[in-house]
Amino acid sequence: DVKVTQSSRYLVKRTGEKVFLECVQDMDHENMFWYRQDPGLGLRLIYFSYDVKMKEKGDIPEGYSVSREKKERFSLILESASTNQTSMYLCASSPPPGRSNQPQHFGDGTRLSIL
Amino acid sequence: DAKTTQPPSMDCAEGRAANLPCNHSTISGNEYVYWYRQIHSQGPQYIIHGLKNNETNEMASLIITEDRKSSTLILPHATLRDTAVYYCIVRSLRANNNDMRFGAGTRLTVKP
Repeated sequence: DVKVTQSSRYLVKRTGEKVFLECVQDMDHENMFWYRQDPGLGLRLIYFSYDVKMKEKGDIPEGYSVSREKKERFSLILESASTNQTSMYLCASSPPPGRSNQPQHFGDGTRLSIL
Repeated sequence: DAKTTQPPSMDCAEGRAANLPCNHSTISGNEYVYWYRQIHSQGPQYIIHGLKNNETNEMASLIITEDRKSSTLILPHATLRDTAVYYCIVRSLRANNNDMRFGAGTRLTVKP
């Protein structure tokens, strides 16, 4: 089974802090994604990556950056956390576009609270 | 990507089949139908996907109408642990558009 592991289930940080959310997948997938999920807004794509050291902006990249130094690991960085970034953050991975009918597999999410 | 329409909520008796409908009348020829579910406080769990043929796996069956404008996810013997929000997603195969667009989904409640 595909395993996508997010480093923390719950995280509490303060406004202005730099926050790192880590995600690791064990299926050798090329594609990795970061979403946030908010009530009434569904899942919104923040950033994605098709390969190591490669990144693409999603729908809501402002206030975030990402890092993909190794194929299995995709990190989301909140440069200076703000209260409107309180949310559930979800990481996902999938095989490359040539096999793009294959589904994305999600981690269990990190519920981040910014105080 | 085509838009999907699902009922906001459904109930099902434990042990009975749960049939969750999804309308995707604007689906195009190269778009797949995917189903996920999300149990409270967990990430979305992949269930099944298909293009035009009916599909079955250990979790569920997917029935796609011949015109592909709608589909039904069937959980053959629902248990209390199947209580979750179920999402129907239609996604194109464009190489640079690989994200999943989740709508509001159907909240399925399995009752004893």
